[in-house]
Amino acid sequence: DAGITQSPRHKVTETGTPVTLRCHQTENHRYMYWYRQDPGHGLRLIHYSYGVKDTDKGEVSDGYSVSRSKTEDFLLTLESATSSQTSVYFCAIRGEPNTGELFFGEGSRLTVL
Amino acid sequence: TQLLEQSPQFLSIQEGENLTVYCNSSSVFSSLQWYRQEPGEGPVLLVTVVTGGEVKKLKRLTFQFGDARKDSSLHITAAQPGDTGLYLCAGRVYNNNDMRFGAGTRLTVKP
Repeated sequence: DAGITQSPRHKVTETGTPVTLRCHQTENHRYMYWYRQDPGHGLRLIHYSYGVKDTDKGEVSDGYSVSRSKTEDFLLTLESATSSQTSVYFCAIRGEPNTGELFFGEGSRLTVL
Repeated sequence: TQLLEQSPQFLSIQEGENLTVYCNSSSVFSSLQWYRQEPGEGPVLLVTVVTGGEVKKLKRLTFQFGDARKDSSLHITAAQPGDTGLYLCAGRVYNNNDMRFGAGTRLTVKP
């Protein structure tokens, strides 16, 4: 058990509303990642963090922002949700710094109507 | 275009058959991982390969990292229905901190 929890696990919202997904870890790992998973695309990196207040963009960052004010929490925010952001979102922590092994949460399913 | 190209995208075989899944890129990776994902769950790490040419075995699964560290393969011997799932390769691009995934191979093993 990698000690990662995501909340909420399921959310239905309307287009144009803000949404925040939370990832909480108990392992004190430096690196945390947010991915989205869609059929035919595998997992695509949205943003990642390499420390408190240190974040960087991934390959599909448009429309998303992140914040990391504490080591244990990494928040993903959709300022104004769109239907194209309907997806399953996964948070991950990087266990071994050099090899990049990731440990995932159980996912957050977001539906934007 | 994804950084890591996996093939095939779908694979349906009978129990007892062998199979190979490929993961290719034009980029060099510091390390490459294979994950397996069940419906409704997050991916779970199977193996990490680090050295070019490295071969690792996990029971009936054999993983190989290409000599140039740009590609990898997963070979399953005598597949069983319990092997059914989504197999994902992922890599840490050399001198980078972001971790990229392939689109995955959905394997179905029929009894």
